[in-house]
Amino acid sequence: EDQVTQSPEALRLQEGESSSLNCSYTVSGLRGLFWYRQDPGKGPEFLFTLYSAGEEKEKERLKATLTKKESFLHITAPKPEDSATYLCAAVYAGNNRKLIWGLGTSLAVNP
Amino acid sequence: GAVVSQHPSRVICKSGTSVKIECRSLDFQATTMFWYRQFPKKSLMLMATSNEGSKATYEQGVEKDKFLINHASLTLSTLTVTSAHPEDSSFYICSAADRGNQPQHFGDGTRLSIL
Repeated sequence: EDQVTQSPEALRLQEGESSSLNCSYTVSGLRGLFWYRQDPGKGPEFLFTLYSAGEEKEKERLKATLTKKESFLHITAPKPEDSATYLCAAVYAGNNRKLIWGLGTSLAVNP
Repeated sequence: GAVVSQHPSRVICKSGTSVKIECRSLDFQATTMFWYRQFPKKSLMLMATSNEGSKATYEQGVEKDKFLINHASLTLSTLTVTSAHPEDSSFYICSAADRGNQPQHFGDGTRLSIL
């Protein structure tokens, strides 16, 4: 069964304490792996797309990487404003562009 | 770039009322738009997928006569919740995507409360 699993479910960091969020997937024919950030009461905000194993993308304190089984979102020296829920989603061949979503990691960064 | 505007952001209305939610892609052409529902502390649940000029494809368990979707142009899709009841209260979010495997870009959602 095609599935996306995120861990941990929740993460609390001190400001400046780097860490990584994990997104493992069992999807046949992956066509894209997406990372989003969602703040309470808002729609998801697009962060990155990764298309093939070995690919990396960076934006400010965030870096996303992809292997054949999982993706990591590395957060370097986080700030309180990085607090949000981070969602991972995958799209695979023949699925009419529908996303398979993970349940998200709720990140809290304490000042 | 890739801005999606969703309106209204919040609706409170009486049971039996029909409610229309608009989703617009402001700076790109959305060949496909998606409508989601999200419950508290849960992930997004896809309700339907619509391509411009075509009938929407609904997910299993979603009543097409209750949730009417229109995608009349490459920049506008609407979701109408007909004869809404309290159990329809939820957070509804739309997204839009360009061609191929381009990412979906999301609106800010509509909080629907049916009294």
